[in-house]
Amino acid sequence: DGGITQSPKYLFRKEGQNVTLSCEQNLNHDAMYWYRQDPGQGLRLIYYSQIVNDFQKGDIAEGYSVSREKKESFPLTVTSAQKNPTAFYLCASRRTFATNEKLFFGSGTQLSVL
Amino acid sequence: QQQVKQSPQSLIVQKGGISIINCAYENTAFDYFPWYQQFPGKGPALLIAIRPDVSEKKEGRFTISFNKSAKQFSLHIMDSQPGDSATYFCAATYSGTALIFGKGTTLSVSS
Repeated sequence: DGGITQSPKYLFRKEGQNVTLSCEQNLNHDAMYWYRQDPGQGLRLIYYSQIVNDFQKGDIAEGYSVSREKKESFPLTVTSAQKNPTAFYLCASRRTFATNEKLFFGSGTQLSVL
Repeated sequence: QQQVKQSPQSLIVQKGGISIINCAYENTAFDYFPWYQQFPGKGPALLIAIRPDVSEKKEGRFTISFNKSAKQFSLHIMDSQPGDSATYFCAATYSGTALIFGKGTTLSVSS
């Protein structure tokens, strides 16, 4: 089945630790996105990538880093500089960055601080 | 300018009733307005979308009403069912930019 796979489903971070969230898609989509979801805050854009080896900061990029070395993969690293990392992280993709292209989401990773 | 304001934050509707969620935007460059539905522990999924050249779009029990002059759009769920209980997000975008989401509305349909 085609889709977006996020792993792990649950992740715990110790203070001062960097953690990496995985996002893989087999939809052959060019564009990929990372959103952060907090209760009552909606979905806020962290980073996005419209093509391999290129990515752009979103509204809340501080404390996060990404890479896009392969079309299928867009991992997100939550660094120790992110002081409030507890949230539900959603990866998404769409075929191109054209306006009316449907955005597909993964099932998310819940990150918590120990 | 880039915000999408969504209301209400939560909504309780009786089974068979009409659920209405409203969104407002400022940026007149926005040209695509989707609604996403999210169940607990899952990622959002596209429900229905509209472009500003039409005032209404209907898909089954779900209807988007769009008022370009007021810069507002709304989702109507007719004959609401317990299975519709979820969080709904409106969103907006233009020219290939990333979607900007509202803060979400948690809908509970009581049986």
